[in-house]
Amino acid sequence: GAGVSQTPSNKVTEKGKYVELRCDPISGHTALYWYRQSLGQGPEFLIYFQGTGAADDSGLPNDRFFAVRPEGSVSTLKIQRTERGDSAVYLCASSLRQGRGYTDTQYFGPGTRLTVL
Amino acid sequence: DQQVKQNSPSLSVQEGRISILNCDYTNSMFDYFLWYKKYPAEGPTFLISISSIKDKNEDGRFTVFLNKSAKHLSLHIVPSQPGDSAVYFCAASGSNDYKLSFGAGTTVTVRA
Repeated sequence: GAGVSQTPSNKVTEKGKYVELRCDPISGHTALYWYRQSLGQGPEFLIYFQGTGAADDSGLPNDRFFAVRPEGSVSTLKIQRTERGDSAVYLCASSLRQGRGYTDTQYFGPGTRLTVL
Repeated sequence: DQQVKQNSPSLSVQEGRISILNCDYTNSMFDYFLWYKKYPAEGPTFLISISSIKDKNEDGRFTVFLNKSAKHLSLHIVPSQPGDSAVYFCAASGSNDYKLSFGAGTTVTVRA
């Protein structure tokens, strides 16, 4: 079946602009996660959705970052007033998340490479 | 603070030999561990996982070992193949948690 998809694959923007990054999770996955990966580092957690609600947004760096998942499927990560430090690969992942447990594997999309000039 | 550490940024191994990747963690609440493989311009791909109730999990050429007392896990790839050349990330989470904490990754190069 189809995996997690993300669009666009690359986004170049100017400092101060607004950007939206989209994630389409695996069909049937109730949990959706956003991570950010900077050069030379592993992915860092941003936000987690269970269904339509943001269950944990503690990883969002500041209030310029916001994410939605209005129908419990597709999610959009929104960044206002972009800064050069926002440049990174933004990864989306989804999982079944059928309650707690050891076997809830997160499956990642290919990411969106954001470059803020 | 970095709760998952991969202290070797790179590893070079000859084709057919064993690759051993190491990972250490500091959070004693972690009880589920995963390895992901990443090729350039692609997202991380799930490789293998282990829960804290086990000390070993094997899947084909890949075996993960967990030493809870040492807060250490390792990934063994036997035999190594050229297609294994990639960045490998160690990740961990707790059963009362959902977000993954990742190490910085180890770049594996398999030489022909």
